[in-house]
Amino acid sequence: QKEVEQDPGPLSVPEGAIVSLNCTYSNSAFQYFMWYRQYSRKGPELLMYTYSSGNKEDGRFTAQVDKSSKYISLFIRDSQPSDSATYLCAMMGGNNRLAFGKGNQVVVIP
Amino acid sequence: DTEVTQTPKHLVMGMTNKKSLKCEQHMGHRAMYWYKQKAKKPPELMFVYSYEKLSINESVPSRFSPECPNSSLLNLHLHALQPEDSALYLCASSESWTGGNQPQHFGDGTRLSIL
Repeated sequence: QKEVEQDPGPLSVPEGAIVSLNCTYSNSAFQYFMWYRQYSRKGPELLMYTYSSGNKEDGRFTAQVDKSSKYISLFIRDSQPSDSATYLCAMMGGNNRLAFGKGNQVVVIP
Repeated sequence: DTEVTQTPKHLVMGMTNKKSLKCEQHMGHRAMYWYKQKAKKPPELMFVYSYEKLSINESVPSRFSPECPNSSLLNLHLHALQPEDSALYLCASSESWTGGNQPQHFGDGTRLSIL
């Protein structure tokens, strides 16, 4: 079993829809959780960072962490074509070694 | 624009060439990283520098040679690479390597093609 599971299937949504992405993990030592956004031919951009169970909002983005279920989610409200990118979940424990999910390619159709 | 700057953006080299990738950050971060990313895959860690000293080498072949001249700069020297080494090479930095509470910030990478 991989440490971090993220269904890599591409996701196409119409503009204005809610995008829902999620990852599960098996390592109880993970305490810090991130979502990175990666545009084509660019590096990963830190989108959301959280370390406690519950929700964290930043504009149209909400990161959700459920440590008891070892499950994290990212929601994008009112999705825009500019949100079309690959979204990578990542997490770490007592050091800064990142464990990544496989990434989800999201396409928002105008 | 990212706060981690990588040059060059693109590099094409033959298998006998020697080239270097460069990375610079001015965020005062004391940990710097090299990653390799193949198409449609997540980044894979190669090296970690902490306070300018090599802390982690993920069993990377010796044809990749990292160097950290100072706390703001990170180089990756390349020699005798193979076609399978073609990939996006990403540099990242964080406030520190230990402690766990330090998110990494990535540059936009160097897209390397080996002929």
